[in-house]
Amino acid sequence: KNEVEQSPQNLTAQEGEFITINCSYSVGISALHWLQQHPGGGIVSLFMLSSGKKKHGRLIATINIQEKHSSLHITASHPRDSAVYICAVDYSGNTPLVFGKGTRLSVIA
Amino acid sequence: GAVVSQHPSWVICKSGTSVKIECRSLDFQATTMFWYRQFPKQSLMLMATSNEGSKATYEQGVEKDKFLINHASLTLSTLTVTSAHPEDSSFYICSARDHLAREGVSFSNEQFFGPGTRLTVL
Repeated sequence: KNEVEQSPQNLTAQEGEFITINCSYSVGISALHWLQQHPGGGIVSLFMLSSGKKKHGRLIATINIQEKHSSLHITASHPRDSAVYICAVDYSGNTPLVFGKGTRLSVIA
Repeated sequence: GAVVSQHPSWVICKSGTSVKIECRSLDFQATTMFWYRQFPKQSLMLMATSNEGSKATYEQGVEKDKFLINHASLTLSTLTVTSAHPEDSSFYICSARDHLAREGVSFSNEQFFGPGTRLTVL
């Protein structure tokens, strides 16, 4: 069964803390996506990666293909980072994404 | 990145009416679009895969006759909720897959999400 597991499910952090969200999947993939969903509902694609590491501002995403594991890091967290972060995998490039259940992040000032 | 729009962003309707939601890819051609539904505090649930010029592929448990999908062009897919009932109230999100190379950079297989449509059926 193709599963995507995220941890933690909920995370509360103080402003300025370094945050890590983890994602594991069970079989080989063609790409992994990190998505952000704010309380209003809209989804923003943060990263799509198939190997190595990507950085955008205070966000860093890494993936280890051998271990079937990816992490999303947020440096110097801010209350505006509060959102649900979703990991989604693309198994073949022609099939729909398979989503994790999301990590609800709250950053407190 | 590429932009996907949805219209309307929210809609309130009476039970028994039909509601049409549009999903447009604004600066790229999308041969494949996906429709998702999300209930409060739950994950996105895939409803159907929409391919331009052909019939949509529905996920198990999604009624084809209730959720009509039309993907008539490379930039537009529509989802019509027919005879809506209160249990259809949900957040509907579309995504579009960009298969074309633009400006020499391939965006193959990347998906871009619309902002979502919140449907409330009274």
